[in-house]
Amino acid sequence: DTGVSQDPRHKITKRGQNVTFRCDPISEHNRLYWYRQTLGQGPEFLTYFQNEAQLEKSRLLSDRFSAERPKGSFSTLEIQRTEQGDSAMYLCASGRQGAIGRREQFFGPGTRLTVL
Amino acid sequence: QKEVEQDPGPLSVPEGAIVSLNCTYSNSAFQYFMWYRQYSRKGPELLMYTYSSGNKEDGRFTAQVDKSSKYISLFIRDSQPSDSATYLCAPSWSWGKLQFGAGTQVVVTP
Repeated sequence: DTGVSQDPRHKITKRGQNVTFRCDPISEHNRLYWYRQTLGQGPEFLTYFQNEAQLEKSRLLSDRFSAERPKGSFSTLEIQRTEQGDSAMYLCASGRQGAIGRREQFFGPGTRLTVL
Repeated sequence: QKEVEQDPGPLSVPEGAIVSLNCTYSNSAFQYFMWYRQYSRKGPELLMYTYSSGNKEDGRFTAQVDKSSKYISLFIRDSQPSDSATYLCAPSWSWGKLQFGAGTQVVVTP
């Protein structure tokens, strides 16, 4: 169990540019979640996948945001035409459905995005 | 009103003291309750997981859930400076999203 990994760990970009983040979940986990966290706040849910199916999207996920999990393994989160308000920590978490009574989500280290 | 409320702190305690953290929520559908610890600029680390009402103990940590009053607690015994972090409560109702509080910052002084 190597844990959830995210890449890159830090990203600085200029307003208007597109950025893409990658998340590799714990290998046996079929559920994958994306959250966004700003300073002084708890993480806010963005979207989640069961295998390759995207099951829920938050209203926070505007049409500039898109997430994919093409083969039910790693996931990517893309932000198009970045705005300064997109500056935040983007967190990925994974969990395993099928474990009776277990609902834990395990988080990666996050990708810190700064939009100049 | 936010769905999950936590006192932001900071909560400052001397080393060895008991840390008491609280969280209230409004959604009666929540059944699964998690506590995470987050160090500065790091991802949240799962500390405790509890299903429904009751107590759960794991080493120096005890989690309590009272669904009748929608009240969640975390106690840390024999606190250490390494316990200095932000503690996030995160209830959930199913396999979907966790609903996080804003977190309580804890400072344990040597």
